[in-house]
Amino acid sequence: GAVVSQHPSRVICKSGTSVKIECRSLDFQATTMFWYRQFPKQSLMLMATSNEGSKATYEQGVEKDKFLINHASLTLSTLTVTSAHPEDSSFYICSAREGVQANQPQHFGDGTRLSIL
Amino acid sequence: KQEVTQIPAALSVPEGENLVLNCSFTDSAIYNLQWFRQDPGKGLTSLLLIQSSQREQTSGRLNASLDKSSGRSTLYIAASQPGDSATYLCAVIGANSKLTFGKGITLSVRP
Repeated sequence: GAVVSQHPSRVICKSGTSVKIECRSLDFQATTMFWYRQFPKQSLMLMATSNEGSKATYEQGVEKDKFLINHASLTLSTLTVTSAHPEDSSFYICSAREGVQANQPQHFGDGTRLSIL
Repeated sequence: KQEVTQIPAALSVPEGENLVLNCSFTDSAIYNLQWFRQDPGKGLTSLLLIQSSQREQTSGRLNASLDKSSGRSTLYIAASQPGDSATYLCAVIGANSKLTFGKGITLSVRP
């Protein structure tokens, strides 16, 4: 089955540090990838849609200068949390969609637990 | 705006029991509905995907149904096992091509 690898799985760093999270589709090409954020006991909230070769589309209320997304190839998207602060601590999950149609399944990575001290 | 509701938030059952998890959504104009499993601190594992034209999907001990007109889906788990303990998330894709998730149901199966 389709596999999405997300790295790192856990990051602990000081306030003001920038953190990069990678999302790779291992056995399929993903024109579109998605980045979600999940707070404890809450649902996944879509942050942005990442399209290969073009600018990401951010959801309302998500700062694009804070959360930089790059989707340079059909198998890799990266999320960089710039100058992270404690309020950015959360669980970040990526997904990759097979195919271009909206009804195609999304496959999820294992998530990244980000803790800012 | 699509809203997905899963009630109750938590459920505890003895091993061997058959159980039903419910999901409701407000906008019936969906492409498909997915059920996911999430273990603590982990990502999501897709369990079943039902296209809007389908009524149900089955995989092993799991059966998911979809009633698009009434905005409801159920996930049936047969002969539950302690290993089924996890959070189960329901999500729909609508006309905006984005997945909208419920908050999930945390299931605990007692040995």
